[in-house]
Amino acid sequence: QQPVQSPQAVILREGEDAVINCSSSKALYSVHWYRQKHGEAPVFLMILLKGGEQKGHDKISASFNEKKQQSSLYLTASQLSYSGTYFCGTETTGWMDSSYKLIFGSGTRLLVRP
Amino acid sequence: EAGVAQSPRYKIIEKRQSVAFWCNPISGHATLYWYQQILGQGPKLLIQFQNNGVVDDSQLPKDRFSAERLKGVDSTLKIQPAKLEDSAVYLCASSRPTGTAPEKLFFGSGTQLSVL
Repeated sequence: QQPVQSPQAVILREGEDAVINCSSSKALYSVHWYRQKHGEAPVFLMILLKGGEQKGHDKISASFNEKKQQSSLYLTASQLSYSGTYFCGTETTGWMDSSYKLIFGSGTRLLVRP
Repeated sequence: EAGVAQSPRYKIIEKRQSVAFWCNPISGHATLYWYQQILGQGPKLLIQFQNNGVVDDSQLPKDRFSAERLKGVDSTLKIQPAKLEDSAVYLCASSRPTGTAPEKLFFGSGTQLSVL
């Protein structure tokens, strides 16, 4: 089942903060975050594991609320280079499971203006 | 290290024609994925291989799509016959399962398919 992302789009001024949310109706084992710039392949940002939290980038961090099956991506003091579409990917089976797979949300478009 | 290689980069065909995409994953990556990304949407998993075996193909339209991964390395995705709604970017990704934690996916640049 596809996770739901919100908001669908965000416009920021350089230096402003943003939060992108990802929620699932199923219990999650982990949440992945990727950023895709126009015409390019998605690029890995970070993975959040059940029972833990992992920060992948300076000024870009994320949290994972297991009770609510939600993850939030925090972009602090945004830079022009942060512009792109952010996708969360969720796993509902553990990575040891043979049916393990990553399902992506529909994305959040972020535009950072000078 | 070399990234995930895909070809062709662009393809334009007419409906009912056939097309094939090729992917060479990062060396040593046992898991290979094909995703379909329609404009404005997130990547949709079509098929997932572990070495040369299929892990998941539940979203693959098997009446027209086929995929294989010979010798657990390169992979080919084929569409025959193509429909207008197949217009999308086809992304190949690979990962190296450790068995102890989920691994990040490395994506190729994709093949942009236009069906006229």
